[in-house]
Amino acid sequence: EVQLVESGGGLVQPGGSLRLSCAASGFTFSNYAINWVRQAPGKGLEWVSAITNSGGATYYADSVRGRFTISRDNSKNTLYLRMDSLRAEDTAVYYCAVVALGGSSHYSNWGQGALVTVSS
Amino acid sequence: DIQMTQSPSSLSASVGDRVTITCRASQSISSYLNWYQQKPGKAPKVLIYSASSIQSGAPSRFSGSGSGTDFTLTISSLQPEDFATYYCQQSYSSPFTFGPGTKVDIK
Repeated sequence: EVQLVESGGGLVQPGGSLRLSCAASGFTFSNYAINWVRQAPGKGLEWVSAITNSGGATYYADSVRGRFTISRDNSKNTLYLRMDSLRAEDTAVYYCAVVALGGSSHYSNWGQGALVTVSS
Repeated sequence: DIQMTQSPSSLSASVGDRVTITCRASQSISSYLNWYQQKPGKAPKVLIYSASSIQSGAPSRFSGSGSGTDFTLTISSLQPEDFATYYCQQSYSSPFTFGPGTKVDIK
């Protein structure tokens, strides 16, 4: 069974930093691209960042580029999101999502989410 | 970036009703259109991918159609467990943008 478990969320002050982790199991992690998607309280879904299966390429939304860093450790089956210079508008539930193989690029599996609250 | 719109933004329906939600892309996305269902406090889950392919495990009352810029999600006979918010998403080009969602609640 595919499992994605996010951790590392919490309360942080504006300007602070946080690192989210997404631990994967039940599939060959190194074969799949993974994305981060966030959802502000009461709002819709927003794509945040993506990383290829090897980690060789990374992509970011304009709203987080230069502040967030996505990475992965395929030996540990874990995805990371380093978030620096956090702002109130970064407050959201952050989900990791597996990109399906086969060309459709839909998100076949999602984690349960990690809540990040940026507030003084 | 490709903009996605959905209509309606919300709807009220009864168990057994046929429900249709539409999604429009700001440019052609071929069939790279996915539908997700999200219930309160839960992660989204995919129902339909590539516009019309049903995800394994999704009920057959869900179907999708369309190509290019206009797409539709249909629930043939609404069930109590279908009350949720539905999002479309394009996976044609990065960033993979989502529509604003359609909330389906009980009439």
